[in-house]
Amino acid sequence: GDSVTQMEGPVTLSEEAFLTINCTYTATGYPSLFWYVQYPGEGLQLLLKATKADDKGSNKGFEATYRKETTSFHLEKGSVQVSDSAVYFCALSLNKFYFGSGTKLNVKP
Amino acid sequence: GAGVSQSPRYKVAKRGQDVALRCDPISGHVSLFWYQQALGQGPEFLTYFQNEAQLDKSGLPSDRFFAERPEGSVSTLKIQRTQQEDSAVYLCASSQPAGAPDTQYFGPGTRLTVL
Repeated sequence: GDSVTQMEGPVTLSEEAFLTINCTYTATGYPSLFWYVQYPGEGLQLLLKATKADDKGSNKGFEATYRKETTSFHLEKGSVQVSDSAVYFCALSLNKFYFGSGTKLNVKP
Repeated sequence: GAGVSQSPRYKVAKRGQDVALRCDPISGHVSLFWYQQALGQGPEFLTYFQNEAQLDKSGLPSDRFFAERPEGSVSTLKIQRTQQEDSAVYLCASSQPAGAPDTQYFGPGTRLTVL
């Protein structure tokens, strides 16, 4: 079946460190891929998306590239800030949305 | 503009009680989704509406769960005879296009605790 697997957290980094959160997917068709973020005490917000293979989504310094050959959509940021501390969810969309279990990111000053 | 709103934000129920959770989607959004999010997990799909039609209810865990959207706007998720395993955050999301879901806009959720 369709599913998303993302790396378990928590991930703890110092400010200005490089971030990678891995996400791989299994899909019966050609999904759109998303990263959602949930800041403490807030609802889920769209961070970025990509709708077809080789597309790169980007927002707020975060990037992810839709890799069909490796069925991956890894999230990266070159220099994290304390304000990036949140839970990050990878998701795919076919006829409905499937979410990963979330990765908590803690950024220390 | 107004986003997706949900009420109540918190609900405590005794086991066996019925509960009703409300979702007000973004005005004009055709598609509406309900999700269940257990502690430390990602949202899991429950059901999907396109306008007033419930097109997919494959994620509803049992016949105690029922959802409706009678006028194609506000939606209610009802859980009958609540059980402790129903404790979770219930999320509502809406999306403008019909058909294959695009970007979804999420509400803040209703945290249900069943004692």
